[in-house]
Amino acid sequence: EAGVTQFPSHSVIEKGQTVTLRCDPISGHDNLYWYRRVMGKEIKFLLHFVKESKQDESGMPNNRFLAERTGGTYSTLKVQPAELEDSGVYFCASSQVPQEAFFGQGTRLTVV
Amino acid sequence: KQEVTQIPAALSVPEGENLVLNCSFTDSAIYNLQWFRQDPGKGLTSLLLIQSSQREQTSGRLNASLDKSSGRSTLYIAASQPGDSATYLCAVTANTGKLIFGQGTTLQVKP
Repeated sequence: EAGVTQFPSHSVIEKGQTVTLRCDPISGHDNLYWYRRVMGKEIKFLLHFVKESKQDESGMPNNRFLAERTGGTYSTLKVQPAELEDSGVYFCASSQVPQEAFFGQGTRLTVV
Repeated sequence: KQEVTQIPAALSVPEGENLVLNCSFTDSAIYNLQWFRQDPGKGLTSLLLIQSSQREQTSGRLNASLDKSSGRSTLYIAASQPGDSATYLCAVTANTGKLIFGQGTTLQVKP
């Protein structure tokens, strides 16, 4: 069974550009979560989808971040325009039951 | 607001030592607690998951305990090996599945 897959694994963009991160959850998992870890800080929750609906987006830092999950399958996280402080590792996790999540490898985003 | 703290931030031990990593959390209303391992440039690997009604879980040389009332968990690693070198993360889970992480303990086991 394929695990949670994230694309790309690394991305380097200039300040002001747009970047879209993708997460393919484990097939059949209704719950999908985004987290990120910025340098020197703990991993922090961004948002939670149940199927295509946003269940909790309390961790989204500002309106430059837009997450979608059309059709309740894969999800995208767009940062537009990117700022230097957005650099970090973005993790996606999925689960069938909310309390047992499986994590992807992460996308390392560097904004220069 | 739930906060998770891990002590120590970094630890270096010689191979073969037994060691304990500590995790504390401020709100005892958790659904479960998980210990993860992260290798450099890699994702998170779940090591042990302790339900809120449980006191401990064991997997091989790893043993995790949970004391919900005092807001503490420990991860015990027996007979440490160089391959155990990684960052260990503690996270508590709310009913929605949202995880709240500590900052992690970076472990180096020297041959």
